[in-house]
Amino acid sequence: NAGVMQNPRHLVRRRGQEARLRCSPMKGHSHVYWYRQLPEEGLKFMVYLQKENIIDESGMPKERFSAEFPKEGPSILRIQQVVRGDSAAYFCASSPDVSQNYGYTFGSGTRLTVV
Amino acid sequence: AQRVTQPEKLLSVFKGAPVELKCNYSYSGSPELFWYVQYSRQRLQLLLRHISRESIKGFTADLNKGETSFHLKKPFAQEEDSAMYYCAFIGGGSNYKLTFGKGTLLTVNP
Repeated sequence: NAGVMQNPRHLVRRRGQEARLRCSPMKGHSHVYWYRQLPEEGLKFMVYLQKENIIDESGMPKERFSAEFPKEGPSILRIQQVVRGDSAAYFCASSPDVSQNYGYTFGSGTRLTVV
Repeated sequence: AQRVTQPEKLLSVFKGAPVELKCNYSYSGSPELFWYVQYSRQRLQLLLRHISRESIKGFTADLNKGETSFHLKKPFAQEEDSAMYYCAFIGGGSNYKLTFGKGTLLTVNP
């Protein structure tokens, strides 16, 4: 089991471009969570998804950010028209269910740099 | 507001010395608390959680509700303990939304 796979590891985008971050959860995990870590900050919750459903997007910026977890394929975090302030590490985690009996398994993160 | 405070951004100790990484939380209910660790170039991993009351890699953490603290301790630090440590909790009606501290970078010197 390869664990939670995120790609790319590093992503550089110019202001105004789109960034697409991918997350493949662990095998058997149907719950995906995205967190963002700004420089010098702790990880902050963005969104919680199950297959084809957004369960909680209370941590997502209201504009330019969207997330999906289709029936087939990885979860995608999409940032449109990126700005310098979007530069951060974006972490994905997965779990087999919503409780914390098993804890999360985190991916290695995608480091987005907006130039 | 729910918050986790890790007052030390950096902590440096010598091998064999005791180490304590401080964590205080701000939450009026009964949170579930965790310590996560990130070794260099590796992913974030769960180190321990307070409800399991276990010791992992020699680390322990006791929840002190009176002081709202969950400090991580190890009696004899090893060089391989050098890593970034994050305290986190779940609370406030959510059983999945982790609130993280800013982390403490522990360096264990030979």
